[in-house]
Amino acid sequence: VQLQQSGPGLVKAAQTLSLTCVISGESVMSERAAWGWIRQSPSGGLEWLGRTYYRSKWYYDYALSVKTRIIITPETSKSQLSLQLKSVTSEDTAVYYCYREGDLTPFDHWGPGTLVTVSS
Amino acid sequence: QSVLTQPSSVSAAPGQKVTISCSGDSSYIGNIYISWFQQFPGTAPKLLIYDNDKRFSDISDRFSGSKSGTSATLAITGLQTGDEAHYFCVKWESSLSGWVFGGGTKLTVL
Repeated sequence: VQLQQSGPGLVKAAQTLSLTCVISGESVMSERAAWGWIRQSPSGGLEWLGRTYYRSKWYYDYALSVKTRIIITPETSKSQLSLQLKSVTSEDTAVYYCYREGDLTPFDHWGPGTLVTVSS
Repeated sequence: QSVLTQPSSVSAAPGQKVTISCSGDSSYIGNIYISWFQQFPGTAPKLLIYDNDKRFSDISDRFSGSKSGTSATLAITGLQTGDEAHYFCVKWESSLSGWVFGGGTKLTVL
């Protein structure tokens, strides 16, 4: 499994942060995995943002801290995962990682990370 | 309570053993599973230990995990300068339907 990320590194405050994670080596519809996003603040702390997984239908879990602003979308035809975070502020400046969860193994594969800076 | 507490830093000499603790609220760590990650500057974290004490693929047996009472512990034996990194613990918090990370511990190999 490999995860490759893309998206802008600079977003203006109040706008929407959008990132894409292309998954190779496994389908985003795999019923043995979940796929999601984690971010790391400039001070180094890790924060889980949310995930999606397919078990006959799509399920979604989101962190309470971003629940009203976040959308994670699996795109099955392209085997990719997207992240949208609305109404960003400077607090959203971070390195964003996409990841894979196995049945027993949390975050066993990671994307390389994308530094996103929110400008005023 | 969903907080996991780690020491901000630990240090030890090459060849020695070091332990890093991950403490939860008194009643909340006993029946949950802790995983551990290693992170070098500028790179993504790497899974070391899952389900408290299971080593992930290709992880050296110098790394081990355990859990007792209100704490989980990552132990690293035979310390090498290449082990110098940040280490994070994480758990699934069912009351939040989400993952919770510890604050991270910087390991310095003196």
